[in-house]
Amino acid sequence: DTEVTQTPKHLVMGMTNKKSLKCEQHMGHRAMYWYKQKAKKPPELMFVYSYEKLSINESVPSRFSPECPNSSLLNLHLHALQPEDSALYLCASSRDQFDSPYEQYFGPGTRLTVT
Amino acid sequence: GIQVEQSPPDLILQEGANSTLRCNFSDSVNNLQWFHQNPWGQLINLFYIPSGTKQNGRLSATTVATERYSLLYISSSQTTDSGVYFCAVGTNTGNQFYFGTGTSLTVIP
Repeated sequence: DTEVTQTPKHLVMGMTNKKSLKCEQHMGHRAMYWYKQKAKKPPELMFVYSYEKLSINESVPSRFSPECPNSSLLNLHLHALQPEDSALYLCASSRDQFDSPYEQYFGPGTRLTVT
Repeated sequence: GIQVEQSPPDLILQEGANSTLRCNFSDSVNNLQWFHQNPWGQLINLFYIPSGTKQNGRLSATTVATERYSLLYISSSQTTDSGVYFCAVGTNTGNQFYFGTGTSLTVIP
């Protein structure tokens, strides 16, 4: 099974709302990722978790708060977002960098609109 | 970080034509993947190819790691091949992947 699932598929939220995006994988991967993708651009890395610890934070604003409750789950908590945060949010997982094959698998994404 | 450039940025093909997409990267890598992003945003894994050559049906890919480039070949293109093709590279200095700029492919019937 090479599936990464994400919920919800679509999300519309106001600037004062709090919401969460969820991601799950059952491939035994120990690295999980959040990416943000704007239209006609490549995905931009936001956060990396390795062995359930935050290993990379690409200077993301604090209104985005990641959480890795266990090795299969990854959440992204959203609060006080701005309209420019509207984008496709992609979750991915992979083996650790020293394991082969070091290959990423992506979920279908959550399309977020901030009004 | 590593710079990853793809060419061409846009490509329009007649159905049945062949094409070559290129990915250049600026440093040594231990991972290289090709993805197809469909119109709904799903990134579909095409190849995991840090070096060498692989083929899967009408698609094949070659990575020459020593010269820091990879090529994706699409033969007998179909309308369902339309979308954006990304290469992404990773190194062993952290669980970090760098995406290329993408090639937007349109196949017309």
